[in-house]
Amino acid sequence: KAGVTQTPRYLIKTRGQQVTLSCSPISGHRSVSWYQQTPGQGLQFLFEYFSETQRNKGNFPGRFSGRQFSNSRSEMNVSTLELGDSALYLCASSLEGGGRLKTQYFGPGTRLLVL
Amino acid sequence: KQEVTQIPAALSVPEGENLVLNCSFTDSAIYNLQWFRQDPGKGLTSLLLIQSSQREQTSGRLNASLDKSSGRSTLYIAASQPGDSATYLCAVNLRQGGSEKLVFGKGTKLTVNP
Repeated sequence: KAGVTQTPRYLIKTRGQQVTLSCSPISGHRSVSWYQQTPGQGLQFLFEYFSETQRNKGNFPGRFSGRQFSNSRSEMNVSTLELGDSALYLCASSLEGGGRLKTQYFGPGTRLLVL
Repeated sequence: KQEVTQIPAALSVPEGENLVLNCSFTDSAIYNLQWFRQDPGKGLTSLLLIQSSQREQTSGRLNASLDKSSGRSTLYIAASQPGDSATYLCAVNLRQGGSEKLVFGKGTKLTVNP
């Protein structure tokens, strides 16, 4: 079974631009979560989608948004990029359909650099 | 607010040594706790998941324990190998601010020297 895939793997943008990252979960997984990893703050939860609905949300500004499609693929969008948005963005999928996050399987991440 | 702390931040050991990584959390109202491994520039690999009702989980040379009442978990690695070199992260799954989420520690960077 193929693992979680994320595209693109690397991205360079400038301040003020917007960016869209994509995540394809493991086949059959309906939950997709997004995380931001930086050296200073570590790994922080952005949001989780399940059956095309945002089910859980972290403490990030509205510039960070996402969506999930009917095939469970998910996209994350960051508008009006800031230098501090430079990070590794990780996506994780799980089978869970009930409310409790079970074992999450992570993708390799998208490394975003904002200049 | 839940905080997860991992000590030490870095650890260097000779090959073959048994070692323990520590994780502590401030709020015991968790659903479960997971240990992950992250290799440089890569995503996370789940190693062990312990439900809040469990005390420990084992997988091969790895053993994780959970003491919810004291807010502590340990990851024991037996007979360490150079291939175990990576950053190890623990994360607690809980409901916070109306949302269920994983809250991560900042990790312990392990180096196993041949």
